[in-house]
Amino acid sequence: NAGVTQTPKFQVLKTGQSMTLQCAQDMNHEYMSWYRQDPGMGLRLIHYSVGAGITDQGEVPNGYNVSRSTTEDFPLRLLSAAPSQTSVYFCASTEQGARGYTFGSGTRLTVV
Amino acid sequence: ELKVEQNPLFLSMQEGKNYTIYCNYSTTSDRLYWYRQDPGKSLESLFVLLSNGAVKQEGRLMASLDTKARLSTLHITAAVHDLSATYFCATRVSAGGFKTIFGAGTRLFVKA
Repeated sequence: NAGVTQTPKFQVLKTGQSMTLQCAQDMNHEYMSWYRQDPGMGLRLIHYSVGAGITDQGEVPNGYNVSRSTTEDFPLRLLSAAPSQTSVYFCASTEQGARGYTFGSGTRLTVV
Repeated sequence: ELKVEQNPLFLSMQEGKNYTIYCNYSTTSDRLYWYRQDPGKSLESLFVLLSNGAVKQEGRLMASLDTKARLSTLHITAAVHDLSATYFCATRVSAGGFKTIFGAGTRLFVKA
């Protein structure tokens, strides 16, 4: 019972590089979201999905793309990394009636 | 636009004391969540409050919800060092679907 799995756990990128943060859940949850966490700012919603094929923007979507081709996977793509995207990224999933989100362990990203 | 505000943002307290963390949100919502995060770790769901007047308790933590005032509280009774963590509240716009917004978090430090 893995829950929400995020890879990689750590990543260093150079400015302008692109990469994909992976997120997979094995609980058959409908809803998945990506958040970034910066000191003193809590968690800010980047993108979210209410089911396969359906995504929407959150509070801070610029510079990020998502897609949801299956219920299990919700990758986050950084198109052209910038130092302002240095952060800890959390993927989370849930379903109707749940007590709350189940969070992945996070990806610590540094852009130099 | 939904805003979630927590106060205080930082709280240092003695073991054995009581204290309350406040969470205000700006628009009508159908539920309120509380999460805990230990340093360097992911988030863990504590409570979900679904209706006006709802109260949930687990150990030394008790959460309540006043939907008319758009206010939730997390009360800590007889604090112990193990409660040291960051506590987040979060809510979603009931009419807008599943979009879930977090507060900035309250960093709690309980001194022995």
